[in-house]
Amino acid sequence: GAGVSQTPSNKVTEKGKYVELRCDPISGHTALYWYRQSLGQGPEFLIYFQGTGAADDSGLPNDRFFAVRPEGSVSTLKIQRTERGDSAVYLCASSPAGGPGELFFGEGSRLTVL
Amino acid sequence: EDQVTQSPEALRLQEGESSSLNCSYTVSGLRGLFWYRQDPGKGPEFLFTLYSAGEEKEKERLKATLTKKESFLHITAPKPEDSATYLCAVQARAGGTSYGKLTFGQGTILTVHP
Repeated sequence: GAGVSQTPSNKVTEKGKYVELRCDPISGHTALYWYRQSLGQGPEFLIYFQGTGAADDSGLPNDRFFAVRPEGSVSTLKIQRTERGDSAVYLCASSPAGGPGELFFGEGSRLTVL
Repeated sequence: EDQVTQSPEALRLQEGESSSLNCSYTVSGLRGLFWYRQDPGKGPEFLFTLYSAGEEKEKERLKATLTKKESFLHITAPKPEDSATYLCAVQARAGGTSYGKLTFGQGTILTVHP
């Protein structure tokens, strides 16, 4: 099945370290989204790509967070100087085009910062 | 600021016992309201999109309805496999909000006992 693939599924790191989370969207989907979900909460928007460009990065909490999608397919979410409060499940989703409608989510990358 | 509140936080039903989940929202112009289902350890799975008050959508034992201030997810004769967290989300029309940004509620955890 060619769903949204996220790696790693689990990442444990120490406070202050750098982390990269990868998302491989469904083939042909031009829109890609990153959300963050804390325990017992709904997903929280981080950033949205249309093609290679970030169409909306208003949800990134601070300048420690950065995301790229250089070729319009795979995306990487990068977190510098991790803090314990960054611990959460990071969800990636894709859709055929930007617009209200169905988002296809991956299973997420669970990040734990010790 | 867009807000979504879901109630109850948790709901336990017997198999066959119909009920409804509530999603109250405030948004600066509704572009769309979305229902997702999330199983433990998985990403959200799309169920419905509603665009305007009075609209209804159905899928198997689920029916979603929309008013100007809230949405209901009605579950008729539920089965144990309907057990999951149900998430409601809105997308705003005003203020240049991008198509990528959904604002989610915290979810309702539904447990259906056989």
